[in-house]
Amino acid sequence: AQTVTQSQPEMSVQEAETVTLSCTYDTSESDYYLFWYKQPPSRQMILVIRQEAYKQQNATENRFSVNFQKAAKSFSLKISDSQLGDAAMYFCAYRRDDKIIFGKGTRLHILP
Amino acid sequence: DTEVTQTPKHLVMGMTNKKSLKCEQHMGHRAMYWYKQKAKKPPELMFVYSYEKLSINESVPSRFSPECPNSSLLNLHLHALQPEDSALYLCASSPEYSGGPSYNEQFFGPGTRLTVL
Repeated sequence: AQTVTQSQPEMSVQEAETVTLSCTYDTSESDYYLFWYKQPPSRQMILVIRQEAYKQQNATENRFSVNFQKAAKSFSLKISDSQLGDAAMYFCAYRRDDKIIFGKGTRLHILP
Repeated sequence: DTEVTQTPKHLVMGMTNKKSLKCEQHMGHRAMYWYKQKAKKPPELMFVYSYEKLSINESVPSRFSPECPNSSLLNLHLHALQPEDSALYLCASSPEYSGGPSYNEQFFGPGTRLTVL
């Protein structure tokens, strides 16, 4: 069975600094998709970044980038130049066909 | 229109009440989802509708009854709930749910905060 593990329940970072959130997953599939979702205190979940497993190139969206290591089954999120608005719960998610699995989340605090 | 709307935002109900949650999207998405989210926990998938047909029921108790009247609308009918059913109920939609490998992004609504007394 697939699992998604986020080993950091909470993290803090100084404003304007860089922070990396870790995510590992377990699957026997070769084709799947990985996502990072952000859920601010207002509770609306929004997509931060996605990665297709068949692509070797790491996805990047402005200040957000991932380090995707398929063999190691690792999918970390790097946030550069952290801003106060980045404070939220971040969920790593795995999707293969009808299987959508979320990690337990990492609460990110931004220190002014 | 690029959003998923949910009504009501908050709902308080007794264990003998019957109520419904509503979700709408006008993005032409063909898959819609219900999730349950407890505080400080990840969303748990409950139901998936694909092309207006129920494709996944994650062993959800029958006191939760989903309905998809059309491709834009998703309801969740609630009856005889328990206090432990109190949670945030999230609706989501995605462009296509083909059953094959797909990276389709899920668009989430703001949720309905449900309290069962």
